[in-house]
Amino acid sequence: DAGVIQSPRHEVTEMGQEVTLRCKPISGHNSLFWYRQTMMRGLELLIYFNNNVPIDDSGMPEDRFSAKMPNASFSTLKIQPSEPRDSAVYFCASRDQRLAGNSGANVLTFGAGSRLTVL
Amino acid sequence: AQSVTQLGSHVSVSEGALVLLRCNYSSSVPPYLFWYVQYPNQGLQLLLKYTTGATLVKGINGFEAEFKKSETSFHLTKPSAHMSDAAEYFCAVSFSGGYQKVTFGTGTKLQVIP
Repeated sequence: DAGVIQSPRHEVTEMGQEVTLRCKPISGHNSLFWYRQTMMRGLELLIYFNNNVPIDDSGMPEDRFSAKMPNASFSTLKIQPSEPRDSAVYFCASRDQRLAGNSGANVLTFGAGSRLTVL
Repeated sequence: AQSVTQLGSHVSVSEGALVLLRCNYSSSVPPYLFWYVQYPNQGLQLLLKYTTGATLVKGINGFEAEFKKSETSFHLTKPSAHMSDAAEYFCAVSFSGGYQKVTFGTGTKLQVIP
């Protein structure tokens, strides 16, 4: 298994530009999480999908952020317009909710992250 | 609401010394507890987890953690630090029911001094 695949690994853009981050979860995993990691705030949960449906987006910082999961094998996180304070590493993680029933004991598998720099 | 607190954002140990990384949790229901490790420029990967049963949990690379309900703690230990253990370590909590949100601590960076 190739694991969770994220692209791009690095993105440098100018303030005001649109940024799209992509994630391919592990085949068969039916839950997907987007996290943001910064020095100041640590690891923050942005949004969580279960069976392609957004369950909790309370961590999305503002309307400039949006996330979609059109099918079980692909998700995007979009920032429009981007701002310098959005600079961070964005991680996607997937989890198989079918293991051990509907249990929070299941392990998250993380991608390598997308490092975003907004100038 | 569930939360985890990691004491010490940076910990330094000498090579061969004991590693102790502290984690305390808050949960209104029985928790599931995890330790993840993050090496530079990589995503997080699982070290070990506690769900039910034996309270002493062994993980990869010689790490172990003990769930102590009375102290609401899940500290991570390793008897002898190796240079390759230098990384950032995250404690996390989840539980059954609801949508099983996973809440992470702020992380502890471990430095191993030769």
